[in-house]
Amino acid sequence: GAGVSQSPSNKVTEKGKDVELRCDPISGHTALYWYRQSLGQGLEFLIYFQGNSAPDKSGLPSDRFSAERTGGSVSTLTIQRTQQEDSAVYLCASSLTSDTQYFGPGTRLTVL
Amino acid sequence: KQEVTQIPAALSVPEGENLVLNCSFTDSAIYNLQWFRQDPGKGLTSLLLIQSSQREQTSGRLNASLDKSSGRSTLYIAASQPGDSATYLCAVPSYGGSQGNLIFGKGTKLSVKP
Repeated sequence: GAGVSQSPSNKVTEKGKDVELRCDPISGHTALYWYRQSLGQGLEFLIYFQGNSAPDKSGLPSDRFSAERTGGSVSTLTIQRTQQEDSAVYLCASSLTSDTQYFGPGTRLTVL
Repeated sequence: KQEVTQIPAALSVPEGENLVLNCSFTDSAIYNLQWFRQDPGKGLTSLLLIQSSQREQTSGRLNASLDKSSGRSTLYIAASQPGDSATYLCAVPSYGGSQGNLIFGKGTKLSVKP
């Protein structure tokens, strides 16, 4: 079946612009996660959605970052007024009540 | 605060060798531990998940072990092949529960030479 998909695969933007990154989780998965992987760094947790519960936003690095999950399915990560340090690969994952998280291919964001 | 460490950071071996990748974690109260593979420019692929009650899991040429009390896990790859070249990451749930975000090590970059 279809896995987690993300779009765009690559995004180049200018400093100060807003960007939106999209994640389509595996159908029926109740949990959705956003992570960031910066060059030379490990994977860093950003935000976690579980069903209809309030999201866990504890990993968001600043108030320029926000995310929504509409209808319990598709999620959008928005970065406002992008900075060069936001350049990274943004990974989305989804899971059922089982423990395994399934990852998408990521969006590579480059802020010039 | 849970921290996950992986050593070595990089490893290069000739084809056919058996090898071991190491993962350690500071808080032993984990619910499970997961090993992932990441190919360059790609997302993560789950390889093995070990529940806290288990000591090992096997999938083909891969065997992962877990020693909660010592805060360690190993990933054993038998008869390595060039196609095994990738970065291997281990991760544990952050809150000790079954769901929630994962805390990752920085990975071991494996290169298997033909």
